Amino acid sequence: EPEVTQTPSHQVTQMGQEVILRCVPISNHLYFYWYRQILGQKVEFLVSFYNNEISEKSEIFDDQFSVERPDGSNFTLKIRSTKLEDSAMYFCASSEGGANNQPQHFGDGTRLSIL
Amino acid sequence: GENVEQHPSTLSVQEGDSAVIKCTYSDSASNYFPWYKQELGKRPQLIIDIRSNVGEKKDQRIAVTLNKTAKHFSLHITETQPEDSAVYFCAASRRAGGTSYGKLTFGQGTILTVHP
Repeated sequence: EPEVTQTPSHQVTQMGQEVILRCVPISNHLYFYWYRQILGQKVEFLVSFYNNEISEKSEIFDDQFSVERPDGSNFTLKIRSTKLEDSAMYFCASSEGGANNQPQHFGDGTRLSIL
Repeated sequence: GENVEQHPSTLSVQEGDSAVIKCTYSDSASNYFPWYKQELGKRPQLIIDIRSNVGEKKDQRIAVTLNKTAKHFSLHITETQPEDSAVYFCAASRRAGGTSYGKLTFGQGTILTVHP
């Protein structure tokens, strides 16, 4: 069964540094998402991406965050100047999309630790 | 925006018993309700979902019920096994299209422990 893959599995970064989290969605999927989960808390929506542009974003997704689909397979989340509170598990998800909601499939996540 | 409340936060059952987890949502435009199972340190895995045009859906030992009028939906697990132990999240989403692109709003999660 095809899976969403994410790299790296764990990223340790100094506060103030830029970090790029990478995702390869399932190949025939059209809708891409980033979510984050702070340890012990619920999963929170960050951003959705469709047709090469951001379609929806949450209040968390401020100017420090950006997403990109640099080629036909990768989907990246960049945090420009990391803060301690950015420490969390970041999940990428993808779905076939369409007018009728299709299931979102999640990757294994990247654990981001800001020191 | 949408708000999803989930109860209980922890649930402990004996193997073979049933487990029920309940969620309420606030946005009457929500029409897609998935349930995810998350084992420690792993990805959320979709276990069952329901759309607003049906009231109940079943898949072997797992069932979900939806009451659109009351804006609540529930997960039912029968004949629980120790491997069912995990965190379960409910979520809600509007119909994709227009200004909505399938954003999931999650509940707070339920830690289910099944004792052998």
